[in-house]
Amino acid sequence: LAKTTQPISMDSYEGQEVNITCSHNNIATNDYITWYQQFPSQGPRFIIQGYKTKVTNEVASLFIPADRKSSTLSLPRVSLSDTAVYYCLVGMNSGGYQKVTFGTGTKLQVIP
Amino acid sequence: GAVVSQHPSWVICKSGTSVKIECRSLDFQATTMFWYRQFPKQSLMLMATSNEGSKATYEQGVEKDKFLINHASLTLSTLTVTSAHPEDSSFYICSARPRGGVWTGELFFGEGSRLTVL
Repeated sequence: LAKTTQPISMDSYEGQEVNITCSHNNIATNDYITWYQQFPSQGPRFIIQGYKTKVTNEVASLFIPADRKSSTLSLPRVSLSDTAVYYCLVGMNSGGYQKVTFGTGTKLQVIP
Repeated sequence: GAVVSQHPSWVICKSGTSVKIECRSLDFQATTMFWYRQFPKQSLMLMATSNEGSKATYEQGVEKDKFLINHASLTLSTLTVTSAHPEDSSFYICSARPRGGVWTGELFFGEGSRLTVL
């Protein structure tokens, strides 16, 4: 079962680029890596997903090295509204179906 | 985009009563729905996985008789907290896996339902 490890918290000033790294040493061949953002008292929101190399969308980039044992979420020029908890997830296959479990997440605090 | 709606968004009830929370996929059919519970300043904890038309699969430590899950259609799953007690007070979140295609693990989450048991 792929378990993820992330830093518990990070601080960043507005306008800076933020990189959050996640370790997933036991990732399976068919697992994708997905990042979610969660604000207080809201459900998580999908940010980005990737399988290997680099993926970029309008809000973030995801870097995945060749061995796929880690991944880095990159948020360009963060603003105060990016203050949230960010979760890195990989799929888990159990008993013939896939389930998604959350790790501790990284609490990002953007400072003015 | 894919929208998942939960109702109610918050509920206060007396100890010993039962509370039902609905989770609906509004613009897609959901093969599987997941129910999570989140305590303050903690991560989401998976409670159970429900597939349409079959019994839910509960995670270890989650009482199936206390947290009744029904997934009667491809767009609706319900979680009923029976005989609620103050320790059941929490933020309950559902998520849905879209039907069809190869699933890469992306989930669509509801807004969450905050339960307070007095």
